Amino acid sequence: KAGVTQTPRYLIKTRGQQVTLSCSPISGHRSVSWYQQTPGQGLQFLFEYFSETQRNKGNFPGRFSGRQFSNSRSEMNVSTLELGDSALYLCASSLGQATEKLFFGSGTQLSVL
Amino acid sequence: AQTVTQSQPEMSVQEAETVTLSCTYDTSENNYYLFWYKQPPSRQMILVIRQEAYKQQNATENRFSVNFQKAAKSFSLKISDSQLGDTAMYFCAFMPTTDSWGKLQFGAGTQVVVTP
Repeated sequence: KAGVTQTPRYLIKTRGQQVTLSCSPISGHRSVSWYQQTPGQGLQFLFEYFSETQRNKGNFPGRFSGRQFSNSRSEMNVSTLELGDSALYLCASSLGQATEKLFFGSGTQLSVL
Repeated sequence: AQTVTQSQPEMSVQEAETVTLSCTYDTSENNYYLFWYKQPPSRQMILVIRQEAYKQQNATENRFSVNFQKAAKSFSLKISDSQLGDTAMYFCAFMPTTDSWGKLQFGAGTQVVVTP
């Protein structure tokens, strides 16, 4: 069974631009969560989607948004990029029940210049 | 709000030796799950072990075991017979059983270096 797939692996953008990251969950998983990882702030939860609905969100500004499609694939969008948005963005999938094990992808490394 | 504290930024251990990573957490929840994840240079977060707070028995997965002390809010990870492939960043994480929906609270991590 294929794992969680994130594309692209690396991305370079400039300030003010917007970016879209993609995450394909493990087959059969309906929940996708997104995390931001930086050296300064560590791992922080962005949001979680289940059956195309956002069920949970962290404390990030509205520039960070996401969506989930009917095939459970998810995208995350960051608008008006700032230098501080440079980070590794990880997504994780699960079947969707609370406290289930989360299976992570290898992340997208975003650099904002 | 919950907090997870890992007080050891880096630990070094020789092959075949044992290393113990510490983790403490603060919560008012009574039911929750605790996890240890490892993140090797490939960057993928890999689940090492999971502990359910209502279970008194400590979880074990092959060479990895935990010492869960609920009253002390402590959750340490022991890696036995360390191997070079264990070199990674290890994160302790907390998840309450209610309204968690994919949200793990992570500690800052401990870098484990296994030397020959």
